[in-house]
Amino acid sequence: QKEVEQDPGPLSVPEGAIVSLNCTYSNSAFQYFMWYRQYSRKGPELLMYTYSSGNKEDGRFTAQVDKSSKYISLFIRDSQPSDSATYLCAMSAFVQGAQKLVFGQGTRLTINP
Amino acid sequence: DAGITQSPRHKVTETGTPVTLRCHQTENHRYMYWYRQDPGHGLRLIHYSYGVKDTDKGEVSDGYSVSRSKTEDFLLTLESATSSQTSVYFCASSPSYEQYFGPGTRLTVT
Repeated sequence: QKEVEQDPGPLSVPEGAIVSLNCTYSNSAFQYFMWYRQYSRKGPELLMYTYSSGNKEDGRFTAQVDKSSKYISLFIRDSQPSDSATYLCAMSAFVQGAQKLVFGQGTRLTINP
Repeated sequence: DAGITQSPRHKVTETGTPVTLRCHQTENHRYMYWYRQDPGHGLRLIHYSYGVKDTDKGEVSDGYSVSRSKTEDFLLTLESATSSQTSVYFCASSPSYEQYFGPGTRLTVT
């Protein structure tokens, strides 16, 4: 079993829809939870990160963490064609001198105009 | 965004040759990382550094070595390139837990 599970999609929704992206994890040692956005042939871009259970909002994006269920989500409101990208969840734990990230496989999202 | 650059951005090399990829950051971040990204495997950690001259192995370190002689530079060397090392390589840097990625190097080993 992988430490982090993420549905690779692809996911296709119409412009303006609310998008829900999810990951589950198995390692209770994970402390920080992040979402990255990666456009084709580009490096991952950090969107949001959070430490505790609950919600964190940034503009049209909301990150949600439920540590008791080992489940994290990213919601995108009023989705735009420019949101079309691959979204990667990542979990962090301090191991052997540094914070190490374990990534989900990524969900490919397309927003249709 | 953290100022991270990678060079070269694209490289084609032959099996058996040594290859060095460079990562340069201008944020004075303590931690630096090298990943490879492959279809079906996602991002996998090759090596990381937690300070100048302090490095350690990640999950896919065989065939790779690293060096960090200055805070801003982290080098990845493929000692003798193989076709299985054809991939996109990303460098990242971090002040603590969040990581910021470079633009990537697309390496093809023929």
